[in-house]
Amino acid sequence: DVKVTQSSRYLVKRTGEKVFLECVQDMDHENMFWYRQDPGLGLRLIYFSYDVKMKEKGDIPEGYSVSREKKERFSLILESASTNQTSMYLCASSLLQGGRATNEKLFFGSGTQLSVL
Amino acid sequence: DAKTTQPTSMDCAEGRAANLPCNHSTISGNEYVYWYRQIHSQGPQYIIHGLKNNETNEMASLIITEDRKSSTLILPHATLRDTAVYYCIVRGNQGGKLIFGQGTELSVKP
Repeated sequence: DVKVTQSSRYLVKRTGEKVFLECVQDMDHENMFWYRQDPGLGLRLIYFSYDVKMKEKGDIPEGYSVSREKKERFSLILESASTNQTSMYLCASSLLQGGRATNEKLFFGSGTQLSVL
Repeated sequence: DAKTTQPTSMDCAEGRAANLPCNHSTISGNEYVYWYRQIHSQGPQYIIHGLKNNETNEMASLIITEDRKSSTLILPHATLRDTAVYYCIVRGNQGGKLIFGQGTELSVKP
């Protein structure tokens, strides 16, 4: 089974801190994604990546950056954490099938609940 | 990508079939219908997807209408562990964006 591992289940940080959320997948997937989930707003895509050193903005990239130096690892960076970034962060990966085909299954990690005080 | 509409919540008796509807009236010909579910405190889990034909796997069945404007996810014998939020997603082939809506909160009751 595909395993997507997020480094922390719970994280508490202070306003202004630089925060790194790490995600590792063990199935050689090309695609990796970062979502945040908030009550009443569902899952919203922050950034995604199709390949090493490649990144694309999702729907809410402001205040975030990402790093994909190795295929298996996709990091989400909060340069200066703010209270409105308190949220559940979910990482996902998927196998690129036939190029950017539509039959793509996402595998999610268990999430990191980040609290910014 | 086409937008989907799902009921906010549904109840189902344990052991009965759970039928979760989804409307996607603006779906285009090359867009697939995906279903995921999210059990409390976990990440979403893939269930099934389809294009035109009905699909079945070990978790569920997916029935897509002939005009493809709506679909139904069927859990044939719901258990308490099927209590979750179920997301219906329509996805095109323009890239890796999978847009999750609000989903349907399914409560399976004893």
